Amino acid sequence: IAGITQAPTSQILAAGRRMTLRCTQDMRHNAMYWYRQDLGLGLRLIHYSNTAGTTGKGEVPDGYSVSRANTDDFPLTLASAVPSQTSVYFCASSEGNTQYFGPGTRLTVL
Amino acid sequence: EDQVTQSPEALRLQEGESSSLNCSYTVSGLRGLFWYRQDPGKGPEFLFTLYSAGEEKEKERLKATLTKKESFLHITAPKPEDSATYLCAVQAYGQNFVFGPGTRLSVLP
Repeated sequence: IAGITQAPTSQILAAGRRMTLRCTQDMRHNAMYWYRQDLGLGLRLIHYSNTAGTTGKGEVPDGYSVSRANTDDFPLTLASAVPSQTSVYFCASSEGNTQYFGPGTRLTVL
Repeated sequence: EDQVTQSPEALRLQEGESSSLNCSYTVSGLRGLFWYRQDPGKGPEFLFTLYSAGEEKEKERLKATLTKKESFLHITAPKPEDSATYLCAVQAYGQNFVFGPGTRLSVLP
């Protein structure tokens, strides 16, 4: 069982480009989340999905979009990347109130 | 607004030197308080969930406790492999998780 996989592991992106971060889980959890982690600020919620077909905005949703076409996949899209979106991005899923995290994607926007 | 703060920001201990990490929170209707461990370059790993004041959970050298305003993560006789960042998070009923900034623990041999 892999748990949660994220791709790519890291990426350097030019400002203005479109980018999709991929997240797949094999635990059949209903709820999934996207966080960004920045030094000194901790993990901040970008978007979440309580079940397939539904999504919601977190604390810092601007510039990001998500979709949840099925239970396993929860991609995060940056429509037009800006340097302030340089961060480490973590996908998570939860069973009950316990969250399980993926290994992260390190994104640098130049 | 739900808030979580953690102290200290960083802590250096000698191997075997016990200490505690603090997590202070304000939340309307606590559903749970969570501790995670995060190693460099990796995602957070779940450690404990505490639900009500007075509750305690233990795992190896770690013990988490909870009051109505804060939680402590006690580390007894730490080893170098306990070096990591420890994250605290809270969840209110009907709300998403809110994370603190973490405490970076270094245990020196």
